Amino acid sequence: GENVEQHPSTLSVQEGDSAVIKCTYSDSASNYFPWYKQELGKRPQLIIDIRSNVGEKKDQRIAVTLNKTAKHFSLHITETQPEDSAVYFCAATTGNTPLVFGKGTRLSVIA
Amino acid sequence: GAVVSQHPSWVICKSGTSVKIECRSLDFQATTMFWYRQFPKQSLMLMATSNEGSKATYEQGVEKDKFLINHASLTLSTLTVTSAHPEDSSFYICSARETGVWTGELFFGEGSRLTVL
Repeated sequence: GENVEQHPSTLSVQEGDSAVIKCTYSDSASNYFPWYKQELGKRPQLIIDIRSNVGEKKDQRIAVTLNKTAKHFSLHITETQPEDSAVYFCAATTGNTPLVFGKGTRLSVIA
Repeated sequence: GAVVSQHPSWVICKSGTSVKIECRSLDFQATTMFWYRQFPKQSLMLMATSNEGSKATYEQGVEKDKFLINHASLTLSTLTVTSAHPEDSSFYICSARETGVWTGELFFGEGSRLTVL
């Protein structure tokens, strides 16, 4: 089955700097890669996703890139703000299989 | 947008009792729902896939007799933790995929925090 690895597990950045979180997946059939932001005690919130027919997607300060050949995808947050502090999870699925999550990255944005 | 409602949001119970958690898709039909468990500072781990009108599919290491899943309608799945013990204390989150939509997107419930004393 699918295995998703996520790095780093913790990340601290200064406010205004960029943050990058990287994930790799094992199942070449996976074609949907969402990123979630989770605040303490709350449900994961979808912040951006990308499908396998696209190499890059951007939404304001957030972007995701996908390299199908290498089977890795990355989340990029620019101009970080304190409210970006949370745990971020990457995930992968073939579309009709359950989402498999990475272990999460705890992002701290220092004002 | 698609909304999934889960309750209770938190529950405290005594060891040995059973607890039922409900997951409802409010504005769409969900043939398939997924139950995840999340321990503190850990990731979401899939427990089981709930299929409307049929038996749930459990992940390796998850006891099907302890975590009873019922998906009797296209909008409701329930998870019952039977004979709960302190080690079952966790954050349980359900998610649903809209029937007939093969985008892969999942919609999550609010989560239920279970504390077993």
